[in-house]
Amino acid sequence: KNQVEQSPQSLIILEGKNCTLQCNYTVSPFSNLRWYKQDTGRGPVSLTIMTFSENTKSNGRYTATLDADTKQSSLHITASQLSDSASYICVVMNSGAGSYQLTFGKGTKLSVIP
Amino acid sequence: DVKVTQSSRYLVKRTGEKVFLECVQDMDHENMFWYRQDPGLGLRLIYFSYDVKMKEKGDIPEGYSVSREKKERFSLILESASTNQTSMYLCASSHLLDRVVGNEQFFGPGTRLTVL
Repeated sequence: KNQVEQSPQSLIILEGKNCTLQCNYTVSPFSNLRWYKQDTGRGPVSLTIMTFSENTKSNGRYTATLDADTKQSSLHITASQLSDSASYICVVMNSGAGSYQLTFGKGTKLSVIP
Repeated sequence: DVKVTQSSRYLVKRTGEKVFLECVQDMDHENMFWYRQDPGLGLRLIYFSYDVKMKEKGDIPEGYSVSREKKERFSLILESASTNQTSMYLCASSHLLDRVVGNEQFFGPGTRLTVL
């Protein structure tokens, strides 16, 4: 069964600090992994996508990594800001034989405090 | 700018009522999706559609139906609302699958439905 596990469930950090969110998956055959950011009361918005051949990708202060061998991804946030307070959702896609499936993690709720 | 709109941000209904949730996208996307989001459970797919009048069941279709009469509009219907359908409902849309990089889903702001 395809599964995506995110950790921690929630995290509180001080403004200006760095943090790392984890995503472990058992999805096969792997196609890509996407990180979404969901602000409170809003729909998720894509931050970055990682394909099999990519190890690292940055989007401003957000850096995603992917280790396809261990089936792990991380999202690193540098110099956190209050606006980073949100839920971060990891979504893994598998595809093959003319169809595809998305498996969602349950998300990590990040709170950045002054 | 991609825009996915949902008919209501908040909705309160009574048990047994028929409920319609509407979603409209303006990016000519082929795919449209309905999810529900509950604390501790994350996003769960209810139904999706890859073309007008086409629909596919997701992971939790029981108690729901959908309608897609026009490409830009996807409706979720609760035939007889029950209290366990109290949730946040999110609509999303995307282009047809790009097998190399997948396809980004664009989400609406959500409808928080309360069934009393």
